[in-house]
Amino acid sequence: SQQGEEDPQALSIQEGENATMNCSYKTSINNLQWYRQNSGRGLVHLILIRSNEREKHSGRLRVTLDTSKKSSSLLITASRAADTASYFCATTMNNNAGNMLTFGGGTRLMVKP
Amino acid sequence: EPEVTQTPSHQVTQMGQEVILRCVPISNHLYFYWYRQILGQKVEFLVSFYNNEISEKSEIFDDQFSVERPDGSNFTLKIRSTKLEDSAMYFCASTTGRGPQYFGPGTRLTVL
Repeated sequence: SQQGEEDPQALSIQEGENATMNCSYKTSINNLQWYRQNSGRGLVHLILIRSNEREKHSGRLRVTLDTSKKSSSLLITASRAADTASYFCATTMNNNAGNMLTFGGGTRLMVKP
Repeated sequence: EPEVTQTPSHQVTQMGQEVILRCVPISNHLYFYWYRQILGQKVEFLVSFYNNEISEKSEIFDDQFSVERPDGSNFTLKIRSTKLEDSAMYFCASTTGRGPQYFGPGTRLTVL
């Protein structure tokens, strides 16, 4: 798979349930960021986790990073209908002069009321 | 809260025409980026810009593309001769350094 691949590609849950999305990458990273995109709209930054960190929390969001497995997960707890969106992971790599982000294909999350 | 802005929100152009997409990054940010997203596909990096020069560019960013920071606030992407395959959502982003990149709302470019 390419750098930054999300799994699953699509996820449908009921309001109140937890949603877990996974991301895998191939090369060493400097940091990994999660973004949200509502249909046809811009990318909203959710959380950044650095390569020396293992877990971060922000409100209902929990992100983990396992550099040995080159993977990350995003957990949204107590989901709401308003969480319906696409979620992308994006990585910046070491020795990357421009700090460009490499995006995965995204997970489309649907939260049913 | 400061945010990245982009204009126009939607640009329709004829194939072969030049377009300029405009961005105003967050004022204290130092690194600026352009990305694009073809409908239904991944977000792809185009170019990064720091200290008034390109620091990195992708294979997509060929001679038809150029970027400029004409003044202290604007950051522009020019496509000299648009092709059908340039139709996409173009996003500008900025950051202070190795922190989060903040994205603008995007410009939808449609090439006819």
